[in-house]
Amino acid sequence: QSALTQPASVSGSPGQSITISCTGTSSDIRGYNSVSWYQQHPGKAPKLMIYEVSDRPSGVSNRFSGSKSGNTASLTISGLQAEDEADYYCSSYTISNTLVFGGGTKLTVL
Amino acid sequence: QIQLVQSGAEVRNPGASLKVSCEASGYTFTSYRIHWVRQAPGQRLEWMGWINTGNGDTIYSQTFQGRISITRDTSASTVYMELSSLRSEDTAVYYCARWGPYFDYWGQGTLVTVSS
Repeated sequence: QSALTQPASVSGSPGQSITISCTGTSSDIRGYNSVSWYQQHPGKAPKLMIYEVSDRPSGVSNRFSGSKSGNTASLTISGLQAEDEADYYCSSYTISNTLVFGGGTKLTVL
Repeated sequence: QIQLVQSGAEVRNPGASLKVSCEASGYTFTSYRIHWVRQAPGQRLEWMGWINTGNGDTIYSQTFQGRISITRDTSASTVYMELSSLRSEDTAVYYCARWGPYFDYWGQGTLVTVSS
């Protein structure tokens, strides 16, 4: 199972919006709504930000939103804040009853 | 509160085996699968496998087939991940995570260093 494809890096200024894409195949993202997004700060464990494509866990800011179209899922962060600077990973359930992660995207807040 | 607490850092020689534990608390242990995910220094998250804590069924990533074993002890609410034939590329932080069906709780991570 190859990793899902994410841009290596994205950047934005405080207050702006950014979108991170996550592209898979019909065997993972297209076929399942079990797509989730994780935020990881250096030296820390990942934190769930979005689950089941577009749902937000309690405690996660409504500035974070998710969507999916075909083989591609997306994470949008609006009103960028300095604390959003981190690595972001998507993951998807697969047809083989396994999980796959994306390559990760480093978000820089300028 | 829900917690996953992992065993401490390990150093191994190439060719050796490793067993990392993940003790769950604060919820019904057998109601949620536990997965293992690793992250080599500066690299992406890599999924390794999962165990159905209720019946012990497991599924592993093809990347680790033949080298990995995930087991559980329901009396201790603990999951174990064993990796054999270690090589330098296995140096990483290893995480356990609860699947709900998404990774809602993570262990603190266990640093494993493989070096002669």
